[in-house]
Amino acid sequence: ETGVTQSPTHLIKTRGQQVTLRCSSQSGHNTVSWYQQALGQGPQFIFQYYREEENGRGNFPPRFSGLQFPNYSSELNVNALELDDSALYLCASSLALQGGRNEQFFGPGTRLTVL
Amino acid sequence: RKEVEQDPGPFNVPEGATVAFNCTYSNSASQSFFWYRQDCRKEPKLLMSVYSSGNEDGRFTAQLNRASQYISLLIRDSKLSDSATYLCVVNRNKLVFGAGTILRVKS
Repeated sequence: ETGVTQSPTHLIKTRGQQVTLRCSSQSGHNTVSWYQQALGQGPQFIFQYYREEENGRGNFPPRFSGLQFPNYSSELNVNALELDDSALYLCASSLALQGGRNEQFFGPGTRLTVL
Repeated sequence: RKEVEQDPGPFNVPEGATVAFNCTYSNSASQSFFWYRQDCRKEPKLLMSVYSSGNEDGRFTAQLNRASQYISLLIRDSKLSDSATYLCVVNRNKLVFGAGTILRVKS
C-alpha cells in the first residue's frame, strides 16, 4: 500500500450541492496533487499543493478549490456540483525534488456520483 | 488533439504472448515519462519510469524516443495477472495521463 488515504470512499450528491473530499499524504511527503478520472478516461490534473500553497492548476473552473494543512493533508472542495462532476477523484502525494523526477503515490480514490 | 495519445485497445492476447503498447505525446517540454498500471476501479500504480536509453524490469521493457515524441511498453510472456489498463504518463511539472490501453490476457 502507498500510505495515502482518502475519505470518503464513495459519495452521492445532487446537482447544486457542495462536497469536500479529504486526503492524507504519505509520511514525509510535502506535495499533494488532485486528479479527476471520468469513466473510460485517464486522470486529469486538477491542482497541486506544495507546503500549503497552490502550485499549479489544470483546466478546471474556480468552483474546484483546495487546501493543504500544516501536516500536508489536503482537501478538495467542489461547489455547485454538476452531473459531469461524477468521477473518481484521486489524490497523489510526493516529495518535491529538483529535476521534477518525483514519484507520485496515489490514494484509493473517492468515487463521487452527482444525481 | 489530446496531449498524450494511446490506442485504447482492448488488446486480447493469450497467456505467454508478447504485447507492445505505443504512446505519443505532443509537448516537447515534457520532462519525464512513466507507465502506470490501473486495475478495474482501483488507483493507478507506477509500473516503471521510461528513459531514452531504454529500461527493463523483468518481463517489461520501456523505451522513449524524444525526437519522435514516442513511448513504448513491451510485455513478454504475458500472465493472466497482467490484465489491466496501462496508462502512458508524461511529467510537465504535473502528470499528464493518456486515456489508457486495456490489456486482457486469456488462458
